[in-house]
Amino acid sequence: AQSVTQPDIHITVSEGASLELRCNYSYGATPYLFWYVQSPGQGLQLLLKYFSGDTLVQGIKGFEAEFKRSQSSFNLRKPSVHWSDAAEYFCAVGAGEYGNKLVFGAGTILRVKS
Amino acid sequence: ETGVTQSPTHLIKTRGQQVTLRCSSQSGHNTVSWYQQALGQGPQFIFQYYREEENGRGNFPPRFSGLQFPNYSSELNVNALELDDSALYLCASSLVAGANNEQFFGPGTRLTVL
Repeated sequence: AQSVTQPDIHITVSEGASLELRCNYSYGATPYLFWYVQSPGQGLQLLLKYFSGDTLVQGIKGFEAEFKRSQSSFNLRKPSVHWSDAAEYFCAVGAGEYGNKLVFGAGTILRVKS
Repeated sequence: ETGVTQSPTHLIKTRGQQVTLRCSSQSGHNTVSWYQQALGQGPQFIFQYYREEENGRGNFPPRFSGLQFPNYSSELNVNALELDDSALYLCASSLVAGANNEQFFGPGTRLTVL
């Protein structure tokens, strides 16, 4: 069965510092991979997605992620964090016949200190 | 363009009662998926509806049921509520039933079961 592991429950970074959020997945075939962000009281917003092709994916708000098949990883990065990036981040893999049933990790809460 | 909306925002029920949650999909979207997000966890896939037919179901008991209407809005019904049903229920809509289509999430309905 498909699964997603986000090893870090909480991460605190200083404003302006770089960020990397880790995500490992378990999936038999080429996965569909996603990163979502959730602010308090808000729904999930898609940051970026990987389906095929270039393994470095650019997303919104200056985020990027790199798909590494050999490591079963899809880590999210941002070179310089802003205070408004404080939120919870979820990695997900697309499961099911068409890959459109999302299996989410437990999430990583990002805190940004000024 | 109106995004995904959900009602009600919050709901309090007692154990054994029944509840209906509603979702209006984004204009033009024909697929609706429902997820349950317990406190401190990632969302879990409940089921998906495509053009009024169920199109996949997660590991949830039959007391979780749903409907999709001709205008592609949807309902999630939960019978015989249990304390563990307390969670944020998220609805997501997309254009077609496939992974290569972004799912747009609503803000969720917070259900508390006492």
